[in-house]
Amino acid sequence: ETGVTQTPRHLVMGMTNKKSLKCEQHLGHNAMYWYKQSAKKPLELMFVYSLEERVENNSVPSRFSPECPNSSHLFLHLHTLQPEDSALYLCASSQDRGGAGGYTFGSGTRLTVV
Amino acid sequence: AQSVAQPEDQVNVAEGNPLTVKCTYSVSGNPYLFWYVQYPNRGLQFLLKYITGDNLVKGSYGFEAEFNKSQTSFHLKKPSALVSDSALYFCAVRYSNDMRFGAGTRLTVKP
Repeated sequence: ETGVTQTPRHLVMGMTNKKSLKCEQHLGHNAMYWYKQSAKKPLELMFVYSLEERVENNSVPSRFSPECPNSSHLFLHLHTLQPEDSALYLCASSQDRGGAGGYTFGSGTRLTVV
Repeated sequence: AQSVAQPEDQVNVAEGNPLTVKCTYSVSGNPYLFWYVQYPNRGLQFLLKYITGDNLVKGSYGFEAEFNKSQTSFHLKKPSALVSDSALYFCAVRYSNDMRFGAGTRLTVKP
């Protein structure tokens, strides 16, 4: 275990469903991130939270909605997704925003939209 | 704008042979450079980083990387590859408060 836990590990959802991805870290890190990983594409940074404040939103469609209720938890709420949203969604944390010491990643949630 | 490139999608080596996974970056100033590894169905794991100092950085699992400022490169190396090294490798560059990842290089080590 890396110290960053993501649930569920796998998720299949229809385009009209609403679901949430959960990320939890107990490393005492102050920054948390959501990334999308699609085959043969660079990691896409979706959202950045620093000290529980959203500091970056990289033109992500509104069907993805992040939530950071405290410094240890990060959620990604999903609704009315499209098949092209199928991917591995990775959560990461770092001591401070930008991760001078590196990022710690969770194992990811494999999302399939049908 | 800062960026990082991994010119090879795939690298194949025989077990016991040395391996190199290439990375080049484009950023003004002094970057922080990282290598991560991803095994199937797992997240990325930190291997090593360069911030300052000795250009040769040693990391986990016997890997090392050489920072070359004139060539703006940060290639990952290992003297003797293992089958268990087969995985997806990502180079990343941090500049200011932003971390950029390359597209990844799939390393396959054949017995």
